[in-house]
Amino acid sequence: IQLTQSPSSLSASVGDRVTITCRASQGINSYLAWSQQKPGKAPKLLIYAASTLQSGVPSRFSGSGSGTDFTLTISSLQPEDFATYYCQQLNSYPLTFGGGTKVEIK
Amino acid sequence: QVQLQESGPGLVKPSGTLSLTCGVSGGSISSSNWWSWVRQPPGKGLEWIGEIYHSGSTNYNPSLKSRVTISLDKSKNQFSLKLSSVTAADTAVYYCASRDTSGRVYWGQGTLVTVSS
Repeated sequence: IQLTQSPSSLSASVGDRVTITCRASQGINSYLAWSQQKPGKAPKLLIYAASTLQSGVPSRFSGSGSGTDFTLTISSLQPEDFATYYCQQLNSYPLTFGGGTKVEIK
Repeated sequence: QVQLQESGPGLVKPSGTLSLTCGVSGGSISSSNWWSWVRQPPGKGLEWIGEIYHSGSTNYNPSLKSRVTISLDKSKNQFSLKLSSVTAADTAVYYCASRDTSGRVYWGQGTLVTVSS
């Protein structure tokens, strides 16, 4: 299953609302996770089961979608949110990742 | 919460075998989790290598399947990765990870493995 993330990069300002999309080449129910990765660090889980916020993750992060179309939204971008975001499908083998979305400072 | 820590050589010679271990703490490797390996070449995205269930059942990425073995060591609460016939293209940060039945994914901190003579 191919996951297509868009955009591949974006520039935004602190306080902006940011939306990242992940489209699957076939239906994956709600078996989707979103992770954040900062340079030189391991990915960190933000959202699992498409819309469930991982414990300890700020509520400005939210996820939605099912089937083939999914969205990660950051309601008010903070300085610590500048990073690369990946979606991952856990529905069928081989498990796959999206290509990533790099969020940069405008 | 499960915590994961990779260990192993940081340098492997071409045509050799890459061997890494992932130590598990805060949980049992015999629990109903899948135990995975993921890699990330320098400056690139994430690639799933494969995973093993607590029962010992494995699934591998078809692109690597002929060279990969993932195994469990329940006595040491750890799991391992072996990747044979390595080339420079296998140079990457290797992460171990675990996912539970709810879909939560836990990540190790990663370890850089360089393939070079």
